[in-house]
Amino acid sequence: GAVVSQHPSRVICKSGTSVKIECRSLDFQATTMFWYRQFPKQSLMLMATSNEGSKATYEQGVEKDKFLINHASLTLSTLTVTSAHPEDSSFYICSALGGQGGTDTQYFGPGTRLTVL
Amino acid sequence: DQQVKQNSPSLSVQEGRISILNCDYTNSMFDYFLWYKKYPAEGPTFLISISSIKDKNEDGRFTVFLNKSAKHLSLHIVPSQPGDSAVYFCAARVGGGADGLTFGKGTHLIIQP
Repeated sequence: GAVVSQHPSRVICKSGTSVKIECRSLDFQATTMFWYRQFPKQSLMLMATSNEGSKATYEQGVEKDKFLINHASLTLSTLTVTSAHPEDSSFYICSALGGQGGTDTQYFGPGTRLTVL
Repeated sequence: DQQVKQNSPSLSVQEGRISILNCDYTNSMFDYFLWYKKYPAEGPTFLISISSIKDKNEDGRFTVFLNKSAKHLSLHIVPSQPGDSAVYFCAARVGGGADGLTFGKGTHLIIQP
């Protein structure tokens, strides 16, 4: 199997608050997970690569102090959007490497819709 | 600079016919390509992939063709079914699976009855 879950699926928060999004690989272990962001009518943009037990690698232009990533176990990675602002409103999607596709395929979670008021 | 390009925002195909979705890339370092299908407010679902050492990969109704010299790949769906209506993303990566994917903007495929 290759099932990836995300929680919550939808969150609305006030500007200035922090939001945590969880990504879990349910039926396989994932040493590497990825976080993407998708704005309306745009492609998915890679934000960071998360490796279990080590610091995340962030893409250029992504603030690591704003988007905190923790990959605490082989099945869980979390993304915390700190001091969220309306421009952070987006669709956040995680993926996990592995499952039935081995190390060649990323399997995606269902996404989290973040709305910052 | 868009390294993976899907120049057709939408494509309409009659049920039962062949759907051909195209993708071009500019980074010659890409060596692994994937196609994903996505419904609104959901995560992408993996469809099929191809390594740069191959020029064709087939899985049921889905076939991906890769033309390295032209930096072009295409996804063929035959026969097209109503459930195939979705947005299709082409993605590419450099090196092994531990690298993130670069996505195109997607093509919205509409299968008409």
